[in-house]
Amino acid sequence: EPEVTQTPSHQVTQMGQEVILHCVPISNHLYFYWYRQILGQKVEFLVSFYNNEISEKSEIFDDQFSVERPDGSNFTLKIRSTKLEDSAMYFCASSDDSNEKLFFGSGTQLSVL
Amino acid sequence: DAKTTQPTSMDCAEGRAANLPCNHSTISGNEYVYWYRQIHSQGPQYIIHGLKNNETNEMASLIITEDRKSSTLILPHATLRDTAVYYCIVRVAWAAGNKLTFGGGTRVLVKP
Repeated sequence: EPEVTQTPSHQVTQMGQEVILHCVPISNHLYFYWYRQILGQKVEFLVSFYNNEISEKSEIFDDQFSVERPDGSNFTLKIRSTKLEDSAMYFCASSDDSNEKLFFGSGTQLSVL
Repeated sequence: DAKTTQPTSMDCAEGRAANLPCNHSTISGNEYVYWYRQIHSQGPQYIIHGLKNNETNEMASLIITEDRKSSTLILPHATLRDTAVYYCIVRVAWAAGNKLTFGGGTRVLVKP
């Protein structure tokens, strides 16, 4: 079964550094999402992306965050200057043109020191 | 999105059916009921969704009341691998950018 692939599985960075999280959505999918989950807390929506632009974003997704689809296969999340509170598991998801169900990747665990 | 209410946790015996309730009394006419689960910090996994008719797939069955204010997810023969947090979410399916809003879910523990 096709799956969403995220790399790296773990990322450790120093506070203030930039990080880029990588995702390869399922190939024929058109809708792309980033979610995050701080340890012990709920899964939180960050941003959705469709037709090469952001469709919706949450309050968490401030100007330190950006997303990009640099080519036909990758979908990235960039955090410009990481904070301690950005430490979380970040999940990428995608869905097809029906947008009925989302397929999630296995996540990138980001640790900001 | 309409808010959902689920029990915090429940136990189930291996091999028995697990019935997970969800209340969504403020659901709108164009909102679907979705169920996802998350196994130990893995990415959420889609299980099933429905609008008003009962639905069944290889993973589970979804029973939606006639007034659509509540639903039940049924895992017909629970296995140890079904131990997970189960999320009931209501969502409009078609809109671009339409997000899933996760609540606390129900933590299901399947016991031998």
